[in-house]
Amino acid sequence: DAGVIQSPRHEVTEMGQEVTLRCKPISGHDYLFWYRQTMMRGLELLIYFNNNVPIDDSGMPEDRFSAKMPNASFSTLKIQPSEPRDSAVYFCASSPVGTNIQYFGAGTRLSVL
Amino acid sequence: GNSVTQMEGPVTLSEEAFLTINCTYTATGYPSLFWYVQYPGEGLQLLLKATKADDKGSNKGFEATYRKETTSFHLEKGSVQVSDSAVYFCALMEYGNKLVFGAGTILRVKS
Repeated sequence: DAGVIQSPRHEVTEMGQEVTLRCKPISGHDYLFWYRQTMMRGLELLIYFNNNVPIDDSGMPEDRFSAKMPNASFSTLKIQPSEPRDSAVYFCASSPVGTNIQYFGAGTRLSVL
Repeated sequence: GNSVTQMEGPVTLSEEAFLTINCTYTATGYPSLFWYVQYPGEGLQLLLKATKADDKGSNKGFEATYRKETTSFHLEKGSVQVSDSAVYFCALMEYGNKLVFGAGTILRVKS
């Protein structure tokens, strides 16, 4: 398997613009997680899905952030409007049922100018 | 709430030196414990894990033992290599597949 695939790898945008990050989990995995990594706050769980249903979105910073999982092979994290403080590396991870191991993608480095 | 505390880095060692990275946790129950490693420009990958007290996780020469009495899960390796240079994250999972990560420890190994 190719692993968790995230796109784009790098995104540079201007404040106020909409940003969409994409994730393709490993086939057959039932759980999908979105994390944000910054120097100040480390790794934070934003939201996670089980069988395409959002289970816990308590880590989503504010209404500007939204995440969807329309099917088992695709998820998006959208920021609208983006702000400079959203600059971070965003990771997607997936996990099969019956195990507590998460498999991470390579991340998307977002810079909001 | 649950939390993980790791020793601050960076940790700088010479090749073949002994490595210890300290990790302690706070949890209401008996979580599973993990070490993840992040190489430059990559996502995190599982290094080892332990699911109950006194379990020892091991992989690639790294070891960590789940110590309930001291709420610790210290990472050790007897002889580090330059290729071990990376960021190491200690983490716990108590319920709902939610991982709580420590701040990460940068390891630099010099040849």
